Amino acid sequence: AQTVTQSQPEMSVQEAETVTLSCTYDTSESDYYLFWYKQPPSRQMILVIRQEAYKQQNATENRFSVNFQKAAKSFSLKISDSQLGDAAMYFCAYRSAFYGGATNKLIFGTGTLLAVQP
Amino acid sequence: GAGVSQSPRYKVAKRGQDVALRCDPISGHVSLFWYQQALGQGPEFLTYFQNEAQLDKSGLPSDRFFAERPEGSVSTLKIQRTQQEDSAVYLCASSTLPGGGSSGANVLTFGAGSRLTVL
Repeated sequence: AQTVTQSQPEMSVQEAETVTLSCTYDTSESDYYLFWYKQPPSRQMILVIRQEAYKQQNATENRFSVNFQKAAKSFSLKISDSQLGDAAMYFCAYRSAFYGGATNKLIFGTGTLLAVQP
Repeated sequence: GAGVSQSPRYKVAKRGQDVALRCDPISGHVSLFWYQQALGQGPEFLTYFQNEAQLDKSGLPSDRFFAERPEGSVSTLKIQRTQQEDSAVYLCASSTLPGGGSSGANVLTFGAGSRLTVL
């Protein structure tokens, strides 16, 4: 079974600075997707960035980028030029790409609560 | 609608009561997922629908949990004889494509969840 681990329960960053959130995962599959979701106090999960495992190039979305290390099974999120609106819970998630069954459910980590200091 | 709508936003139930949580997905979305998020934890998969068919219910924690999507749009998650350990946020998510497949376009849109508190 696949697992996702986020070892940082809480992180803090100064506004305009850069912060990196860690995520490791365990799987025996070769093809999969990895995601970072943001969950503000409103509770609605918002997709921040995604990475296909077969792509070597790290995904980037504006101020958000990932460091995907497939051999190490590591998938960290870097937030540059942090803004007050970035404060939220961040979840790392895994999804199989195998079309062998009916579901490709997301498997989430336990989350990292990011505080942004003005 | 523009997004995934869930109701009620908050529900307080006495232990032993039955509750029903509603999810109204984005119109035309084929896939619908239910997740349970306990306090301080990440969401955990409960069940999956492709249109009206419940193709995966492996995450339902007990036979007190039941979900349906009779016409392939609105879904209801029902919890019978609620227990304190059922207290959690219940998230619904939908997507345009079937749950399987390798398409990276199969991105889930989540609702804001229903927070259930069982006293």
